[in-house]
Amino acid sequence: GAVVSQHPSRVICKSGTSVKIECRSLDFQATTMFWYRQFPKQSLMLMATSNEGSKATYEQGVEKDKFLINHASLTLSTLTVTSAHPEDSSFYICSAVREYSNQPQHFGDGTRLSIL
Amino acid sequence: DAKTTQPPSMDCAEGRAANLPCNHSTISGNEYVYWYRQIHSQGPQYIIHGLKNNETNEMASLIITEDRKSSTLILPHATLRDTAVYYCIVSVNTNAGKSTFGDGTTLTVKP
Repeated sequence: GAVVSQHPSRVICKSGTSVKIECRSLDFQATTMFWYRQFPKQSLMLMATSNEGSKATYEQGVEKDKFLINHASLTLSTLTVTSAHPEDSSFYICSAVREYSNQPQHFGDGTRLSIL
Repeated sequence: DAKTTQPPSMDCAEGRAANLPCNHSTISGNEYVYWYRQIHSQGPQYIIHGLKNNETNEMASLIITEDRKSSTLILPHATLRDTAVYYCIVSVNTNAGKSTFGDGTTLTVKP
């Protein structure tokens, strides 16, 4: 069964709306979660690394005030797309890694965000 | 993290073995090789990973060359449901470091 739950799976909303996406590790503690963005027919692009109890580390070119990340517990990280515009429409995917190990990333099923 | 190179696409007949290559010539001694796959419109799925020894699980086998500069993912009996984009990634430790996804290999399993 799924070890990482991502919600919602699909969002359609108007321009200017803020959208929150949740990523939960279901049966393990994840000190680190990753957030990716994927455009059609392209690979995953890492947006930020989310560490529990500290500020997220954003990749170059990703606006931290636009994409707010909160990792308040060892099982939950959230990504908020603030004041979303049509160009923010994309497939957003999170992943979680078991605490302090070389274990692989476990991915959520992604969130399809469509801004009208 | 070391960069990887994969062929953009491959075909395989249903029931036959699918062998997907990956080059990672700049891999460091403490970097692992991870394989994931992504079926259309879903999140990636973990397949297998290894450091230097060959690995096998219920999904696939991973063969890593002795110099660790390349590896091959083997799906022993490909099915139509194995059609997906396969990503090979090398990383020191996915907990401490970020993983860079390349373009992967689109595997098409044909009946």
